[in-house]
Amino acid sequence: KAGVTQTPRYLIKTRGQQVTLSCSPISGHRSVSWYQQTPGQGLQFLFEYFSETQRNKGNFPGRFSGRQFSNSRSEMNVSTLELGDSALYLCASSFLGVASYEQYFGPGTRLTVT
Amino acid sequence: QQQVKQSPQSLIVQKGGISIINCAYENTAFDYFPWYQQFPGKGPALLIAIRPDVSEKKEGRFTISFNKSAKQFSLHIMDSQPGDSATYFCAAWRGKLIFGQGTELSVKP
Repeated sequence: KAGVTQTPRYLIKTRGQQVTLSCSPISGHRSVSWYQQTPGQGLQFLFEYFSETQRNKGNFPGRFSGRQFSNSRSEMNVSTLELGDSALYLCASSFLGVASYEQYFGPGTRLTVT
Repeated sequence: QQQVKQSPQSLIVQKGGISIINCAYENTAFDYFPWYQQFPGKGPALLIAIRPDVSEKKEGRFTISFNKSAKQFSLHIMDSQPGDSATYFCAAWRGKLIFGQGTELSVKP
């Protein structure tokens, strides 16, 4: 079974631009979550989508948004990029249910903002 | 607002030794306490998890000890191997994962 895939793997953007990251979950997984990983703040939850609806949201500004499509694939968008947005963005998928703590992470998209 | 605190930040252990990583949490409403392992260039991968009504869970060389009254839990890696060298994250789950800051483990041959 193929794992979680994320595209692109690396991205360089300039301050003020916007960016869209893509995530394809494991086949059969309906929940997709996004996390930001930085050396200073560690791993922080951004949001979770299930059946095209945002079920949970972390403490990030409105510049961070996401969506999920009917095939469970998800995208996240960051508008008006800031230098502090440079991070590894991780997507994770899981089955809906009791064991949802069991998240399967992709390799991440490394975003650099200059 | 850091709800899960992890220590130490880094750890060096000799091959065959025991690696111990500790975590403490603040919110009592968490449902599960998983541990994730991350290798460079990879996303985190679930290692082992425990429910708050269980005091210990063992899977192979990995054991979680859980102290509900102290709001603390720890990961023990027995017979540590160089292949265990990675970053370990404790986490707490209630609808979303709240991660600790991570521990970089290095196992020396």
